[in-house]
Amino acid sequence: EAQVTQNPRYLITVTGKKLTVTCSQNMNHEYMSWYRQDPGLGLRQIYYSMNVEVTDKGDVPEGYKVSRKEKRNFPLILESPSPNQTSLYFCASSSLANYNEQFFGPGTRLTVL
Amino acid sequence: RKEVEQDPGPFNVPEGATVAFNCTYSNSASQSFFWYRQDCRKEPKLLMSVYSSGNEDGRFTAQLNRASQYISLLIRDSKLSDSATYLCVVKMDSNYQLIWGAGTKLIIKP
Repeated sequence: EAQVTQNPRYLITVTGKKLTVTCSQNMNHEYMSWYRQDPGLGLRQIYYSMNVEVTDKGDVPEGYKVSRKEKRNFPLILESPSPNQTSLYFCASSSLANYNEQFFGPGTRLTVL
Repeated sequence: RKEVEQDPGPFNVPEGATVAFNCTYSNSASQSFFWYRQDCRKEPKLLMSVYSSGNEDGRFTAQLNRASQYISLLIRDSKLSDSATYLCVVKMDSNYQLIWGAGTKLIIKP
């Protein structure tokens, strides 16, 4: 089954404790990205990657890191989480040929205390 | 002003009714437009693209008005299963970034 998976789905952590949210897709997509979704603000892009070893900042990259060592994986790293990073995070992927349709993972609900 | 604006709703609509909502965008250079659907606590999924000539998919009709810079979504004969949040998305062809609206919540009541 073609899908985007994220782990963990739910995470409660404390300020300053490094964490990684994993994202993996099995559709051989070149493009992958991370979004956060907050009430009233819509989806905001954090980082995106157009291929292996190529990453770029989105609209709200501060406080986040990503890597793209393999085509299928695109982990999101919070080196020192803060309460303002409490949010719902989505990973998405698409082919560059059909960029219009983004396939999303199920989301990760992060709470930073 | 937000780049993409939507009425957050909720729109409470009886089953079988027709409902329409708009989305306005601020950048006249915007080239591609889409509607995504997001069920409660789930991920967004592409509903339909919006073409310049307008397009229809079953009970759903999407239209683009470039002069007034808005897109619309019309749902006919609404079903309970249409209850969801509808996200408007705008893309510039100059890059691969998508600009998302905050969504319009639709509740279909029996």
